[in-house]
Amino acid sequence: DAGVIQSPRHEVTEMGQEVTLRCKPISGHDYLFWYRQTMMRGLELLIYFNNNVPIDDSGMPEDRFSAKMPNASFSTLKIQPSEPRDSAVYFCASSAGLAGGYTGELFFGEGSRLTVL
Amino acid sequence: AQSVTQLDSQVPVFEEAPVELRCNYSSSVSVYLFWYVQYPNQGLQLLLKYLSGSTLVKGINGFEAEFNKSQTSFHLRKPSVHISDTAEYFCAVSEKGGSEKLVFGKGTKLTVNP
Repeated sequence: DAGVIQSPRHEVTEMGQEVTLRCKPISGHDYLFWYRQTMMRGLELLIYFNNNVPIDDSGMPEDRFSAKMPNASFSTLKIQPSEPRDSAVYFCASSAGLAGGYTGELFFGEGSRLTVL
Repeated sequence: AQSVTQLDSQVPVFEEAPVELRCNYSSSVSVYLFWYVQYPNQGLQLLLKYLSGSTLVKGINGFEAEFNKSQTSFHLRKPSVHISDTAEYFCAVSEKGGSEKLVFGKGTKLTVNP
């Protein structure tokens, strides 16, 4: 299996621009998670989906952030407009969840490093 | 809601020395516990997990952890570390019977020196 695939790996943009991060989960996994990692706050859960439906978005920092999962093999995290404080590494992870027998194992992508100037 | 505290942000050790990375958790219900490892410029990968049964859990690369319910701890140990163990280690918790949501600690940077 190819694992969780994220793109782009690196993004440098200017304040005010729209940023779209993409994720392809492992085939057959029915949970998808978006995390943000910074030095100050560590790993924060932003939102997660089960069977393409958002379950908990309480970690989304504000209305500038939105996430979608139009089908089982694709998800996006969008920031509009972006701000310098959004600079972080954004991770996508997927899990087989309860249907596959709960293992609690998340499979992470390699992350998208975002720098907002 | 559950939370995780990793007591040490950085742990430097010499090669072949033993190491213990400390983790305490807080939850009002029973939990599942995990340790993940992150190598530079990579995502996290599972090192070991405690779901039920024996409180001593063995993982990959010679690591093990012990679940102590009375002390709400899940410390990670390795009897002899290698240079290649240099990485950041994250403890995580999820609630039994709850969601699939994992809450992570802030991480411990392990540096193994020659």
